[in-house]
Amino acid sequence: ILNVEQSPQSLHVQEGDSTNFTCSFPSSNFYALHWYRWETAKSPEALFVMTLNGDEKKKGRISATLNTKEGYSYLYIKGSQPEDSATYLCARPGSQGNLIFGKGTKLSVKP
Amino acid sequence: NAGVMQNPRHLVRRRGQEARLRCSPMKGHSHVYWYRQLPEEGLKFMVYLQKENIIDESGMPKERFSAEFPKEGPSILRIQQVVRGDSAAYFCASSPLTASSGSYEQYFGPGTRLTVT
Repeated sequence: ILNVEQSPQSLHVQEGDSTNFTCSFPSSNFYALHWYRWETAKSPEALFVMTLNGDEKKKGRISATLNTKEGYSYLYIKGSQPEDSATYLCARPGSQGNLIFGKGTKLSVKP
Repeated sequence: NAGVMQNPRHLVRRRGQEARLRCSPMKGHSHVYWYRQLPEEGLKFMVYLQKENIIDESGMPKERFSAEFPKEGPSILRIQQVVRGDSAAYFCASSPLTASSGSYEQYFGPGTRLTVT
């Protein structure tokens, strides 16, 4: 994997369902992995910056895990709510600290 | 503490005109990044600037595009002689510190949506 890949591309769940999606990235020369939440017509909002293998971070009902050896991170949402509907982006740093983004997973939560 | 500010939020230009997009980073942030989102695509890095310096412009098209971040005032992304393919959402982000490790959060502005007619 040369860049950042996210799956699935889109996801439709019912309110109350728990869900998760994947970010894959190059495992060599790992420095950090960023997760963002991006609602339509708003700014991307930083969720987590993950740096340590095995790390798990949590913010409310959203959590993320990191495996740097195999090059993947999972984002979990417990008990999805309609307000969780957004595109979830992950990104790895480029050589100068810029971010290289995946194409995102678009989550739609139906009431 | 105000967030990252961008203006205008929407900009319409005719082909051949110039577009100027402004970005004021968060207070205390001296690192600015510009990204572009083309229709049906993800966010792509364009340029990284510190005060009075361009650090990395590897994502910037070679012609018609330029960026600056003067000692005083906002960062400016300038597109000369716009074409329809420049229609996109342009986002800027700022961070207080940066390193090649890229472990610092970047805070994004609301974006400028450029439409070229």
